[in-house]
Parts: sequence; structure tokens; C-alpha cells
Amino acid sequence: GAGVSQSPSNKVTEKGKDVELRCDPISGHTALYWYRQSLGQGLEFLIYFQGNSAPDKSGLPSDRFSAERTGGSVSTLTIQRTQQEDSAVYLCASSRRGGDTEAFFGQGTRLTVV
Amino acid sequence: AQSVTQPDIHITVSEGASLELRCNYSYGATPYLFWYVQSPGQGLQLLLKYFSGDTLVQGIKGFEAEFKRSQSSFNLRKPSVHWSDAAEYFCAVEIDRGSTLGRLYFGRGTQLTVWP
Repeated sequence: GAGVSQSPSNKVTEKGKDVELRCDPISGHTALYWYRQSLGQGLEFLIYFQGNSAPDKSGLPSDRFSAERTGGSVSTLTIQRTQQEDSAVYLCASSRRGGDTEAFFGQGTRLTVV
Repeated sequence: AQSVTQPDIHITVSEGASLELRCNYSYGATPYLFWYVQSPGQGLQLLLKYFSGDTLVQGIKGFEAEFKRSQSSFNLRKPSVHWSDAAEYFCAVEIDRGSTLGRLYFGRGTQLTVWP
């Protein structure tokens, strides 16, 4: 596609529910990143994919967070048993091959846990 | 600890005035350096980047930034601000030079308000 697409743009969920956030990267981009943007923590790295593999998942805050990428394209970030502190904007970015190639960001998914 | 510092949380300038947003980093070696802009409800857009070479880099929308190794700084500047520049600005670094990782570490951001 023309840019990185994320869905939904907004999600309100009840505490304890599971949520799935989707990212469609730019076609042909092998590297994909998830970041979280929250008031208290700023922009934090969550996980990096190169193709379908996740060489770096060190930023995932707990085992309630997981992510996968299929076909070297779409990625899904899943949060199980959501907590109020999970409320944030989740940003996805992709780049041609990682490293020093420019990362393009999606508009984000605003998650609110009530 | 490794960090990216943007000391100014909020800056207000008049339209047409000059602008400088500060960024300092603390890493052992010179990282790759970036400035991003985020408008309300939007993702991050890359303004400019520094990898090596000329320490004054030009970006989009009339922005430039200067890398100063001795000060570990990468300040963003614009000679004349436009009302449309009102947004949040993030400085970021990539410390894994030479790898395919491309992980970015961000400052906390500077919110820019422009008065007409």
C-alpha cells in the first residue's frame, strides 16, 4: 500500500479482555516495528520483526503481550487480559530492510482500557 | 544510563520567529540521529537524519539540524516558523549501527505552539 496502515484507529475495551491490533506495512518492507506511546513513558520500543521472525522482542512489557507476523507482511499485536496501564497509542512502523533505512510510521491505534 | 533528552517540554513562538529545539544523547559512540514530527492524530513523519559526513543536515519543511559531537547534541532549527509547524517534535537515536535492527530510542518530545 501507499503507507503503513493500522487498524482499528481507536479501541475501547474492558479491563480483562483481550485485544488484537493490526498493522499492514508498506509492501516490500521486510522490517516491522511496534512502539507504544503513553503519557508517562513517552515512545517505547516493543518488538522488531525481520520477515516473519522477531529477533528482538525485548521491549514487550509482560507476557500478556505477544505479536506475530505472517507472510512477511501483516503483523498483529495481541494484549491478553488488558489492564488500565495498557492504555496508550500503539504505533507500527516499517522499513525496507531495517538498519539505516527510513522507518515509516502508521497513524497508530489508540487503546483505552476502562 | 543511555538516554535521549529533550529538555524543553513545551515551546511557544510567534509565527515568523526562529526556532531551535534541543536534543542531547548519552551513548558511548555516535549513534544515527533523527528528528520526527507528529501532528495530532497522526503518526510520526521523518524530518531529517544524520548518519555521517556533513554535520549540518537539511530536512523537509525548511528544517535543519546540526550534529555537535563535543556536546552530544543534535538540535533542530528553522529560521522562520509557520503556523502549520505547530506539532510535537521527537528526537530519536539508533545505536545499533551496522546491524539490521533499526530500533529507535526516543526523547520525550517537545510540543511546539505557534502564535499568529
